[in-house]
Amino acid sequence: AQKVTQAQTEISVVEKEDVTLDCVYETRDTTYYLFWYKQPPSGELVFLIRRNSFDEQNEISGRYSWNFQKSTSSFNFTITASQVVDSAVYFCALRGGEAGSYQLTFGKGTKLSVIP
Amino acid sequence: KAGVTQTPRYLIKTRGQQVTLSCSPISGHRSVSWYQQTPGQGLQFLFEYFSETQRNKGNFPGRFSGRQFSNSRSEMNVSTLELGDSALYLCASSYGGKETQYFGPGTRLLVL
Repeated sequence: AQKVTQAQTEISVVEKEDVTLDCVYETRDTTYYLFWYKQPPSGELVFLIRRNSFDEQNEISGRYSWNFQKSTSSFNFTITASQVVDSAVYFCALRGGEAGSYQLTFGKGTKLSVIP
Repeated sequence: KAGVTQTPRYLIKTRGQQVTLSCSPISGHRSVSWYQQTPGQGLQFLFEYFSETQRNKGNFPGRFSGRQFSNSRSEMNVSTLELGDSALYLCASSYGGKETQYFGPGTRLLVL
């Protein structure tokens, strides 16, 4: 069975602070895929990033960066210089590598509030 | 390209009724997945369709069903609605299933 744990239920930061959202996963698959999605109050899940298990290179995109560590089964997400528009619920998700089995397993989400 | 669209956006039903939700995937995408989001259970996978065939199904009762048409549009149906079916239903599409899934705005269902 696959599992994704986001231990932080809610985080509040003051604008311009850096914030890291934690994600820990469990899977028996040797190949798997990790995702981060953002859900603003409107409800739509917005895709942010996808990482493959065989590629541990960390990635930076503007104010966003991701730290994938296979040794600790973690895929953490950092927002640098947070802005009010970053306020949303962030979900980490996992998909196994088995052919024909493409459903996403989501964590419970972390609600981020950026206070001006 | 237009994103994933879902209709209706909001729905109010009473217990015992049935409901049909619609999802139009991104043009060219052939896989459509459905998820249920509730405050208690979070995001849970319902089922996935590809080329008009259900390829995977989550752990939901038979009251939840779906189908996919030849143009890749998908519908899901919930029969004999229960209060616990109140949720945000999200549809996601991808090219073949194994690629990144892109989500629609969801349908908020309230069962009274």
